[in-house]
Amino acid sequence: NAGVTQTPKFRVLKTGQSMTLLCAQDMNHEYMYWYRQDPGMGLRLIHYSVGEGTTAKGEVPDGYNVSRLKKQNFLLGLESAAPSQTSVYFCASSTWGEQYFGPGTRLTVT
Amino acid sequence: QQQVKQSPQSLIVQKGGIPIINCAYENTAFDYFPWYQQFPGKGPALLIAIRPDVSEKKEGRFTISFNKSAKQFSLHIMDSQPGDSATYFCAASIGGGGADGLTFGKGTHLIIQP
Repeated sequence: NAGVTQTPKFRVLKTGQSMTLLCAQDMNHEYMYWYRQDPGMGLRLIHYSVGEGTTAKGEVPDGYNVSRLKKQNFLLGLESAAPSQTSVYFCASSTWGEQYFGPGTRLTVT
Repeated sequence: QQQVKQSPQSLIVQKGGIPIINCAYENTAFDYFPWYQQFPGKGPALLIAIRPDVSEKKEGRFTISFNKSAKQFSLHIMDSQPGDSATYFCAASIGGGGADGLTFGKGTHLIIQP
């Protein structure tokens, strides 16, 4: 039981490049989330999903897109990366109450 | 507008002391209040959570105190140990901790000195 896994762990992008972050969970959770963590800012919700095929915007959705084609996977896309998207990205999943977080992806946009 | 305000930003306590971290919220629709602990390089992990129908909850050395009328809640760590040194986040959500995601405070960096 791996819990919540994220790939890649680290990535450096140039401004304007695109990439997809993958989150996978093996706990059969309905709900999945993407957060970003910036120094002194806590974690902020980007997008979330309440089930396969559904997505919704969180607090800071601009510049990101998401897809949940399979229940166990939640993808976060950056179509045209900007330096302001330099951050640590965390995926989480839950059924009710406790959210289980992945180990994070550290993204730097130069 | 920050919906969950956390203080202090950083805290240093001697081993055995009782660090206290405070949070205040604005949205009265919040009905689930968890605390998460995060070690460097790791994702946050749930420590303890409370719902507004109780004023206090204890799990081991960790206690949440909740004041619904003041819209405040706090985390107390009894008999603190150097291994408790971490960043702590309070959070809140609507719907009893269901689908909608968490609103986090900005975090408290706690150091427990030996």
